[in-house]
Amino acid sequence: ILNVEQSPQSLHVQEGDSTNFTCSFPSSNFYALHWYRWETAKSPEALFVMTLNGDEKKKGQISATLNTKEGYSYLYIKGSQPEDSATYLCALPEDQGGKLIFGQGTELSVKP
Amino acid sequence: DTEVTQTPKHLVMGMTNKKSLKCEQHMGHRAMYWYKQKAKKPPELMFVYSYEKLSINESVPSRFSPECPNSSLLNLHLHALQPEDSALYLCASSQKGPSGNTIYFGEGSWLTVV
Repeated sequence: ILNVEQSPQSLHVQEGDSTNFTCSFPSSNFYALHWYRWETAKSPEALFVMTLNGDEKKKGQISATLNTKEGYSYLYIKGSQPEDSATYLCALPEDQGGKLIFGQGTELSVKP
Repeated sequence: DTEVTQTPKHLVMGMTNKKSLKCEQHMGHRAMYWYKQKAKKPPELMFVYSYEKLSINESVPSRFSPECPNSSLLNLHLHALQPEDSALYLCASSQKGPSGNTIYFGEGSWLTVV
């Protein structure tokens, strides 16, 4: 079973702080990596799907990098706002079939 | 339109009831998924439909019965559930499988079994 680990488990920052968290995974049999943002009472929102080693993607103040050789991805938020408070999940397909394995998530709280 | 719509949002059912959860997408996606999420844990895959055929069943008990009547709809029929089945049930869809394709999730159906 694919082991996807996220750290830290939770993070409390002040408005305006920049922050980052990590998703770690086995470097063998890599297919893709998904980042999601999940706010309470809403659906998980797809942020990025990354497939190539060295990929860097950006959406507004959020960006992500991917290193498939060493098995990690970083998610960065520049200048956090209270509305960025959510749980950030990474997930990887176990194989080509359709099963996505999620990490435990990083719960971000941004205080005004 | 990148919406996956789930109904109902909340459902309370007794252990002898029969109910269904419904999911709809109009993005032309050919892969649809049911996930189960318990508090403070990541979503866990239950079923995958690919081109309206069941392709993955993660050893889910038969009291959960999925159905894909057409390419836009996915149902989850519930019968004789247990209190421990209370959870958030998420439906999702993607163009094809999750290798490189964005998966879109619905808001989920909160199920309470009493």
